[in-house]
Amino acid sequence: GENVGLHLPTLSVQEGDNSIINCAYSNSASDYFIWYKQESGKGPQFIIDIRSNMDKRQGQRVTVLLNKTVKHLSLQIAATQPGDSAVYFCAERQGAQKLVFGQGTRLTINP
Amino acid sequence: DAGVTQSPTHLIKTRGQQVTLRCSPKSGHDTVSWYQQALGQGPQFIFQYYEEEERQRGNFPDRFSGHQFPNYSSELNVNALLLGDSALYLCASSLRGSYNSPLHFGNGTRLTVT
Repeated sequence: GENVGLHLPTLSVQEGDNSIINCAYSNSASDYFIWYKQESGKGPQFIIDIRSNMDKRQGQRVTVLLNKTVKHLSLQIAATQPGDSAVYFCAERQGAQKLVFGQGTRLTINP
Repeated sequence: DAGVTQSPTHLIKTRGQQVTLRCSPKSGHDTVSWYQQALGQGPQFIFQYYEEEERQRGNFPDRFSGHQFPNYSSELNVNALLLGDSALYLCASSLRGSYNSPLHFGNGTRLTVT
């Protein structure tokens, strides 16, 4: 179903701390998930993706965790910086091009 | 390497009018999809084009139509505009067959219907 949601609409963290953004999805058959970052006035920017045959994937300062048992995704950002302030979306792929997005979490970094 | 480009960046139209938005995919990409993003919401899938044909469609009325050209660029047309069509329209591209590769998005066209 089209129900990729997020637990928290806003998240505020101190600069240098780690951030965790959570996402729940409802389609247990989904096999590919993506995290996007969207800054004001811009389109979504790819951060990291993960296939359903993986539990964890790491990038530069970011880690995505997938828990298929409870249909949960999380994005961890290490040592957050002011430039990390944005809205973060998780998305679930349905079909070759169709992404189902959640509402988004606004991440604010406090100095 | 040019990314996804969209034009115009902003547009103001009156209710009942028609609008055409344009998109050029990232170099090397052959598939284009369009999304509508209302303020404060996540993007919603409109449709996808590959080989100049609509391949997949979301829950949008027939007022929304599109086209893909031989150079892979695409247009989104919206007829009989409603106030509720005000949104950011995003174009995304990818390479057909690269199933587990992310879509690349443009910065969108901000449409305001008055």
